[in-house]
Amino acid sequence: KQEVTQIPAALSVPEGENLVLNCSFTDSAIYNLQWFRQDPGKGLTSLLLIQSSQREQTSGRLNASLDKSSGRSTLYIAASQPGDSATYLCAVRPHQAGTALIFGKGTTLSVSS
Amino acid sequence: DTGVSQNPRHKITKRGQNVTFRCDPISEHNRLYWYRQTLGQGPEFLTYFQNEAQLEKSRLLSDRFSAERPKGSFSTLEIQRTEQGDSAMYLCASRNEGEWAFFGQGTRLTVV
Repeated sequence: KQEVTQIPAALSVPEGENLVLNCSFTDSAIYNLQWFRQDPGKGLTSLLLIQSSQREQTSGRLNASLDKSSGRSTLYIAASQPGDSATYLCAVRPHQAGTALIFGKGTTLSVSS
Repeated sequence: DTGVSQNPRHKITKRGQNVTFRCDPISEHNRLYWYRQTLGQGPEFLTYFQNEAQLEKSRLLSDRFSAERPKGSFSTLEIQRTEQGDSAMYLCASRNEGEWAFFGQGTRLTVV
């Protein structure tokens, strides 16, 4: 059974710092991996999607990497800002078309000014 | 079409009452998913539609839960005889094959 773990559960950093959020999954046979942002009491905003054949994806200050063989992904946030404060969720789609995402519990990030 | 829309955003109901939530997906998306999220947890899968066909249901979806997607457009999720353990955020997502999943803002259910 696929399980997704995110470490750390919470992280506090000063503004301007570069940071890395970690995601690990137990079954390397995935179709793709997606990173989301969730603000308190809100829905999920898609940040990056990495297909199983890809190694990384970039969008602005965000860079996500995927090492399928070791079952790990990282989300790198450059030059963090207070507006980046949110919960970041990692989710994998098992290697079957149409199947649902399996989520980790998230990392709650707080960036202080 | 600006994204996935869910209504209502908040629902407070008494234990034992029935509730129904609606999800309007992005119009060209053929796949629609329902998830449930409790505090401090990631979303958990409930059920999945491809067009109007319900193709998968999680064991979390007890007999009190039913979902429909008539004509492959909007979807409804009904909970009968609500219990306090049903209190959660109910999220809807839509996508096409191989593409990003887009989520709505969710419906927060509180059972008192």
